Amino acid sequence: NAGVTQTPKFQVLKTGQSMTLQCAQDMNHEYMSWYRQDPGMGLRLIHYSVGAGITDQGEVPNGYNVSRSTTEDFPLRLLSAAPSQTSVYFCASSRDSYYEQYFGPGTRLTVT
Amino acid sequence: AQSVAQPEDQVNVAEGNPLTVKCTYSVSGNPYLFWYVQYPNRGLQFLLKYITGDNLVKGSYGFEAEFNKSQTSFHLKKPSALVSDSALYFCAVRSSYSGAGSYQLTFGKGTKLSVIP
Repeated sequence: NAGVTQTPKFQVLKTGQSMTLQCAQDMNHEYMSWYRQDPGMGLRLIHYSVGAGITDQGEVPNGYNVSRSTTEDFPLRLLSAAPSQTSVYFCASSRDSYYEQYFGPGTRLTVT
Repeated sequence: AQSVAQPEDQVNVAEGNPLTVKCTYSVSGNPYLFWYVQYPNRGLQFLLKYITGDNLVKGSYGFEAEFNKSQTSFHLKKPSALVSDSALYFCAVRSSYSGAGSYQLTFGKGTKLSVIP
C-alpha cells in the first residue's frame, strides 16, 4: 500500500513551458485534491474531485487544469508556467472531504 | 466564504510544559474541523478531527483539541510538550453542508511550534 504518490519530486521550468504533475493513490479514495503551499500563505486549494469524471475549482485555479478519468489518478496540468507558480504542490486523497486527508510527499516547482 | 485564522505565526514552549496552538474559524452551518502537522520537507499528517459529539477530541501523539462553538475556536493542546513536537501545525475547516462548492477544505496559514529543550 503506497498511499499517495507524486512525481516528480523537483522540477524547474522556464516561463511559458507546460507540464503535468502526477498524483496517484491506491486506497480507492473518492475525494482527491491539489494544494499549493507558499511561505506565510498556508495551503491553498487549487482543484478538487469528488469522484471519477467530476472536478471543481478551488481557491486558486487560474493557470491550472485537472481531469479525473480514473479513481486512482488526478494529474495537475500547468498550461503556461509563470514565476508566480513557483511553489510546493501537494496532492491529497480521502474517502470523502469530511474524512482525514492523506497527503503525498509534494513536488517542489521552480519557474524561472 | 469559510475561513480559518491561526493568530500566532510561531509558538515557543519549554519541553515538559503544556502547549496550546490557537485556531478560530468561520463557516456556514456546522463545522468539520481538522488539525494537521507538517515536519520539515514532508507532506501533512492528520492529527485529529471534530465532526460532532464531545467537544474534547483526542488524537495522535497525545494531542487533543477543544471545540468551542460560541467562540468559534478549535485550539490544539498537549499536556507536556516534547522536542519532537516541533513542527508546523495547520488547522482546517469545511462546512457540514452538502452540494456543489461545499466540499472544499480551507486551511489556516499555519503555526510553527518550537519546543525548547
